[in-house]
Amino acid sequence: RKEVEQDPGPFNVPEGATVAFNCTYSNSASQSFFWYRQDCRKEPKLLMSVYSSGNEDGRFTAQLNRASQYISLLIRDSKLSDSATYLCVVTPGGGSQGNLIFGKGTKLSVKP
Amino acid sequence: GAGVSQTPSNKVTEKGKYVELRCDPISGHTALYWYRQSLGQGPEFLIYFQGTGAADDSGLPNDRFFAVRPEGSVSTLKIQRTERGDSAMYLCASSPSRDTHTEAFFGQGTRLTVV
Repeated sequence: RKEVEQDPGPFNVPEGATVAFNCTYSNSASQSFFWYRQDCRKEPKLLMSVYSSGNEDGRFTAQLNRASQYISLLIRDSKLSDSATYLCVVTPGGGSQGNLIFGKGTKLSVKP
Repeated sequence: GAGVSQTPSNKVTEKGKYVELRCDPISGHTALYWYRQSLGQGPEFLIYFQGTGAADDSGLPNDRFFAVRPEGSVSTLKIQRTERGDSAMYLCASSPSRDTHTEAFFGQGTRLTVV
Protein backbone atom coordinates (compact mmCIF):
# COMPACT_ATOMS: atom_id res chain seq x y z
CA ARG A 1 0.00 0.00 0.00
CA LYS A 2 1.29 3.47 -0.93
CA GLU A 3 2.09 5.74 2.00
CA VAL A 4 -0.13 8.52 0.65
CA GLU A 5 -2.99 7.81 -1.72
CA GLN A 6 -5.10 10.23 -3.70
CA ASP A 7 -7.68 9.96 -6.47
CA PRO A 8 -5.73 11.19 -9.53
CA GLY A 9 -8.83 12.67 -11.19
CA PRO A 10 -9.09 14.65 -13.33
CA PHE A 11 -11.88 16.59 -11.70
CA ASN A 12 -13.53 18.76 -14.34
CA VAL A 13 -15.81 21.35 -12.74
CA PRO A 14 -17.49 24.58 -13.85
CA GLU A 15 -16.53 27.92 -12.38
CA GLY A 16 -18.26 28.54 -9.09
CA ALA A 17 -18.54 24.87 -8.19
CA THR A 18 -17.50 23.35 -4.90
CA VAL A 19 -15.06 20.48 -5.18
CA ALA A 20 -13.55 18.17 -2.55
CA PHE A 21 -10.40 16.07 -2.68
CA ASN A 22 -9.54 13.23 -0.35
CA CYS A 23 -6.29 11.65 0.69
CA THR A 24 -5.45 8.68 2.90
CA TYR A 25 -2.14 7.91 4.56
CA SER A 26 -0.87 4.58 5.85
CA ASN A 27 1.50 5.55 8.69
CA SER A 28 -0.46 6.20 11.87
CA ALA A 29 2.63 7.89 13.37
CA SER A 30 2.51 10.63 10.74
CA GLN A 31 2.91 14.01 12.35
CA SER A 32 2.30 16.83 9.90
CA PHE A 33 0.00 17.22 6.94
CA PHE A 34 -0.11 19.65 4.06
CA TRP A 35 -1.72 20.40 0.74
CA TYR A 36 0.63 21.62 -1.99
CA ARG A 37 -0.40 22.96 -5.36
CA GLN A 38 1.54 22.28 -8.56
CA ASP A 39 0.84 24.08 -11.82
CA CYS A 40 1.77 22.39 -15.09
CA ARG A 41 5.57 22.22 -15.51
CA LYS A 42 6.11 24.24 -12.33
CA GLU A 43 7.40 23.39 -8.88
CA PRO A 44 5.04 22.48 -6.00
CA LYS A 45 4.06 25.32 -3.68
CA LEU A 46 2.49 25.13 -0.25
CA LEU A 47 -1.25 25.76 -0.33
CA MET A 48 -2.00 25.16 3.33
CA SER A 49 -1.06 23.14 6.35
CA VAL A 50 -3.69 20.82 7.80
CA TYR A 51 -4.37 20.85 11.52
CA SER A 52 -6.33 18.43 13.68
CA SER A 53 -8.95 21.05 14.40
CA GLY A 54 -9.41 21.77 10.70
CA ASN A 55 -8.49 25.07 9.13
CA GLU A 56 -9.80 27.47 6.57
CA ASP A 57 -8.06 29.95 4.29
CA GLY A 58 -10.50 31.94 2.21
CA ARG A 59 -12.24 29.54 -0.19
CA PHE A 60 -10.11 26.61 0.95
CA THR A 61 -10.88 24.34 3.90
CA ALA A 62 -8.69 21.46 5.05
CA GLN A 63 -9.70 18.71 7.45
CA LEU A 64 -7.75 15.95 9.18
CA ASN A 65 -9.20 12.77 10.65
CA ARG A 66 -6.42 10.96 12.49
CA ALA A 67 -8.60 8.00 13.48
CA SER A 68 -9.40 7.26 9.83
CA GLN A 69 -5.99 8.51 8.57
CA TYR A 70 -7.77 10.74 6.13
CA ILE A 71 -7.21 14.32 4.91
CA SER A 72 -9.52 16.42 2.81
CA LEU A 73 -9.42 19.69 0.89
CA LEU A 74 -12.57 21.59 -0.01
CA ILE A 75 -12.52 24.39 -2.56
CA ARG A 76 -15.59 26.62 -2.70
CA ASP A 77 -16.56 28.95 -5.56
CA SER A 78 -13.93 27.50 -7.91
CA LYS A 79 -11.99 29.92 -10.11
CA LEU A 80 -10.32 29.23 -13.45
CA SER A 81 -7.02 29.96 -11.68
CA ASP A 82 -7.61 27.02 -9.31
CA SER A 83 -6.83 24.64 -12.19
CA ALA A 84 -3.75 22.72 -11.06
CA THR A 85 -2.65 19.46 -9.46
CA TYR A 86 -3.21 19.26 -5.71
CA LEU A 87 -0.69 17.19 -3.80
CA CYS A 88 -1.38 15.67 -0.39
CA VAL A 89 1.78 15.65 1.73
CA VAL A 90 2.55 13.87 5.00
CA THR A 91 5.59 13.80 7.24
CA PRO A 92 6.00 10.22 8.40
CA GLY A 93 7.21 10.92 11.93
CA GLY A 94 9.43 8.69 14.04
CA GLY A 95 12.93 8.27 12.64
CA SER A 96 11.92 9.84 9.35
CA GLN A 97 10.75 13.07 10.93
CA GLY A 98 11.27 15.90 8.51
CA ASN A 99 10.67 14.01 5.26
CA LEU A 100 7.80 15.07 3.11
CA ILE A 101 5.97 12.17 1.49
CA PHE A 102 3.83 13.21 -1.48
CA GLY A 103 0.78 11.60 -2.99
CA LYS A 104 0.51 11.36 -6.78
CA GLY A 105 -1.73 14.40 -6.86
CA THR A 106 -5.28 15.13 -7.92
CA LYS A 107 -5.72 17.12 -11.10
CA LEU A 108 -8.38 19.83 -11.10
CA SER A 109 -9.60 21.56 -14.22
CA VAL A 110 -12.03 24.46 -13.76
CA LYS A 111 -13.94 25.34 -16.93
CA PRO A 112 -15.72 28.60 -17.79
CA GLY B 1 17.05 35.89 -6.17
CA ALA B 2 15.94 34.74 -2.74
CA GLY B 3 14.42 31.43 -3.83
CA VAL B 4 15.86 27.94 -4.22
CA SER B 5 18.05 27.79 -7.30
CA GLN B 6 18.76 24.63 -9.26
CA THR B 7 21.27 24.24 -12.06
CA PRO B 8 21.24 23.27 -14.80
CA SER B 9 17.56 23.67 -15.66
CA ASN B 10 17.91 20.99 -18.33
CA LYS B 11 20.48 18.25 -18.76
CA VAL B 12 20.69 15.74 -21.59
CA THR B 13 23.24 12.99 -21.14
CA GLU B 14 24.11 9.68 -22.72
CA LYS B 15 23.38 6.40 -21.02
CA GLY B 16 26.30 5.39 -18.82
CA LYS B 17 27.55 8.91 -18.17
CA TYR B 18 27.96 10.64 -14.82
CA VAL B 19 25.91 13.75 -13.95
CA GLU B 20 25.83 16.27 -11.14
CA LEU B 21 22.81 18.37 -10.28
CA ARG B 22 23.24 21.40 -8.07
CA CYS B 23 20.90 23.00 -5.55
CA ASP B 24 21.37 26.39 -3.87
CA PRO B 25 18.87 26.57 -1.00
CA ILE B 26 17.43 29.71 0.50
CA SER B 27 20.09 31.31 2.69
CA GLY B 28 19.89 30.14 6.29
CA HIS B 29 17.67 27.14 5.60
CA THR B 30 18.99 24.14 7.47
CA ALA B 31 16.80 21.45 5.92
CA LEU B 32 17.31 20.44 2.28
CA TYR B 33 15.40 17.81 0.32
CA TRP B 34 15.89 16.12 -3.03
CA TYR B 35 12.93 14.65 -4.91
CA ARG B 36 12.43 13.03 -8.30
CA GLN B 37 9.22 13.50 -10.26
CA SER B 38 8.12 11.59 -13.34
CA LEU B 39 5.27 12.70 -15.57
CA GLY B 40 1.89 12.16 -13.93
CA GLN B 41 3.41 11.23 -10.59
CA GLY B 42 3.92 13.07 -7.34
CA PRO B 43 7.43 13.97 -6.19
CA GLU B 44 9.28 10.88 -4.93
CA PHE B 45 11.50 11.42 -1.90
CA LEU B 46 15.22 10.74 -2.41
CA ILE B 47 17.21 12.24 0.47
CA TYR B 48 16.90 14.81 3.25
CA PHE B 49 19.70 16.82 4.88
CA GLN B 50 19.73 18.63 8.19
CA GLY B 51 22.81 20.81 8.00
CA THR B 52 25.69 18.86 6.50
CA GLY B 53 24.44 15.39 7.34
CA ALA B 54 21.99 13.20 5.51
CA ALA B 55 19.20 12.73 8.07
CA ASP B 56 17.42 10.22 5.82
CA ASP B 57 18.70 8.75 2.55
CA SER B 58 16.20 5.90 2.41
CA GLY B 59 14.71 7.17 -0.85
CA LEU B 60 17.86 6.85 -2.93
CA PRO B 61 16.96 4.08 -5.41
CA ASN B 62 20.39 2.41 -5.55
CA ASP B 63 24.10 3.03 -5.04
CA ARG B 64 24.40 4.93 -8.32
CA PHE B 65 22.78 7.87 -6.55
CA PHE B 66 24.66 9.95 -4.00
CA ALA B 67 24.20 13.44 -2.57
CA VAL B 68 26.41 15.75 -0.53
CA ARG B 69 26.05 19.01 1.31
CA PRO B 70 29.57 19.61 2.63
CA GLU B 71 29.11 23.08 4.11
CA GLY B 72 25.46 22.85 5.04
CA SER B 73 24.35 25.07 2.20
CA VAL B 74 24.73 24.04 -1.47
CA SER B 75 23.95 20.41 -2.25
CA THR B 76 24.93 18.26 -5.21
CA LEU B 77 23.05 15.17 -6.34
CA LYS B 78 25.36 12.80 -8.19
CA ILE B 79 24.22 10.02 -10.49
CA GLN B 80 26.72 7.50 -11.81
CA ARG B 81 26.29 5.26 -14.86
CA THR B 82 23.02 6.94 -15.80
CA GLU B 83 20.21 4.80 -17.18
CA ARG B 84 17.24 5.80 -19.33
CA GLY B 85 14.98 5.16 -16.34
CA ASP B 86 16.74 7.98 -14.47
CA SER B 87 15.08 10.49 -16.81
CA ALA B 88 12.83 12.71 -14.69
CA MET B 89 12.49 16.14 -13.12
CA TYR B 90 14.79 16.41 -10.09
CA LEU B 91 13.43 18.85 -7.53
CA CYS B 92 15.25 20.38 -4.59
CA ALA B 93 13.52 22.04 -1.65
CA SER B 94 14.66 23.78 1.51
CA SER B 95 13.00 24.79 4.75
CA PRO B 96 14.16 27.01 7.57
CA SER B 97 14.25 24.52 10.43
CA ARG B 98 13.83 20.93 11.53
CA ASP B 99 10.31 21.77 12.67
CA THR B 100 8.12 19.50 10.59
CA HIS B 101 5.40 22.12 10.36
CA THR B 102 7.47 24.62 8.40
CA GLU B 103 6.94 25.15 4.68
CA ALA B 104 9.33 23.62 2.18
CA PHE B 105 10.24 25.89 -0.75
CA PHE B 106 10.98 24.20 -4.03
CA GLY B 107 13.33 25.15 -6.83
CA GLN B 108 12.18 24.98 -10.43
CA GLY B 109 13.94 21.68 -10.92
CA THR B 110 16.46 20.11 -13.27
CA ARG B 111 14.95 18.11 -16.10
CA LEU B 112 17.29 15.17 -16.73
CA THR B 113 17.02 13.24 -19.98
CA VAL B 114 19.15 10.15 -20.48
CA VAL B 115 19.39 9.10 -24.13
